[in-house]
Amino acid sequence: NAGVTQTPKFRILKIGQSMTLQCTQDMNHNYMYWYRQDPGMGLKLIYYSVGAGITDKGEVPNGYNVSRSTTEDFPLRLELAAPSQTSVYFCASSHGQSVLGNQPQHFGDGTRLSIL
Amino acid sequence: DAKTTQPTSMDCAEGRAANLPCNHSTISGNEYVYWYRQIHSQGPQYIIHGLKNNETNEMASLIITEDRKSSTLILPHATLRDTAVYYCIVRVGTSGSRLTFGEGTQLTVNP
Repeated sequence: NAGVTQTPKFRILKIGQSMTLQCTQDMNHNYMYWYRQDPGMGLKLIYYSVGAGITDKGEVPNGYNVSRSTTEDFPLRLELAAPSQTSVYFCASSHGQSVLGNQPQHFGDGTRLSIL
Repeated sequence: DAKTTQPTSMDCAEGRAANLPCNHSTISGNEYVYWYRQIHSQGPQYIIHGLKNNETNEMASLIITEDRKSSTLILPHATLRDTAVYYCIVRVGTSGSRLTFGEGTQLTVNP
C-alpha cells in the first residue's frame, strides 16, 4: 500500500514550457486534491475532484488544468509555465463516502517545481 | 470555514509534553477541528481531529474547550522527530471539503 505517489519529485522548466505533474493513489479514495505551497507559507488549494469525471476549482486555479479519468489518477497540467508557478506541489486524497463525513486527507511527498 | 489563530513558534524540551494552542472563536456547530503537521520538505501528515469531545490516538491528544472556541494539541513525550510546523484547521465535516491551511506553529524540540 503506497498511499499517494507523486512524480516527478523535482523538475526545472523554462518559461512557456508545459508539463504534467502525476499523482496516483491506491487507497480507493473518491476525493483527490492539488495544493501548492510557496516558501514559508501554508498550502493553497488549486483543484479538487470528488470522483472520476468530476473536477472543481479551488482557491488558486489560474494557469492549471486537471482531469480525473480514473479513481486512482489525478494529473495536474501546466500549459504555459510562468515564474510565479515556482512552488512545491502536493497531491492529497481522502475517502469521501463516509457516514461520519470527516475523513482526513492523505498527502504525497510533493513535486518541487522551478520555473526559470 | 472558521479562521484559526496559532502562535508562530514554540520550543519544547525533548521528553516533555508539547502543548500547542489554537484559537477558533468563530467556529460553528458543524465544524471539526483538525490537526496536521509538516516535517521539513515532506507532505502534511494527519494527526488527529475532533468535534467537541477530547480525543486521543497513538500520536497525540486533542483537548477542545467546552465552548469550542479554542483547542490544544498535546504531544505527551516530544521527540526530536516531532520538530515540524503544526497546522490547526477548522472545517465542516462533510466529505471532500477542502482544507484551508494557515501558517501554523513551528514547533522545535530541543535536546
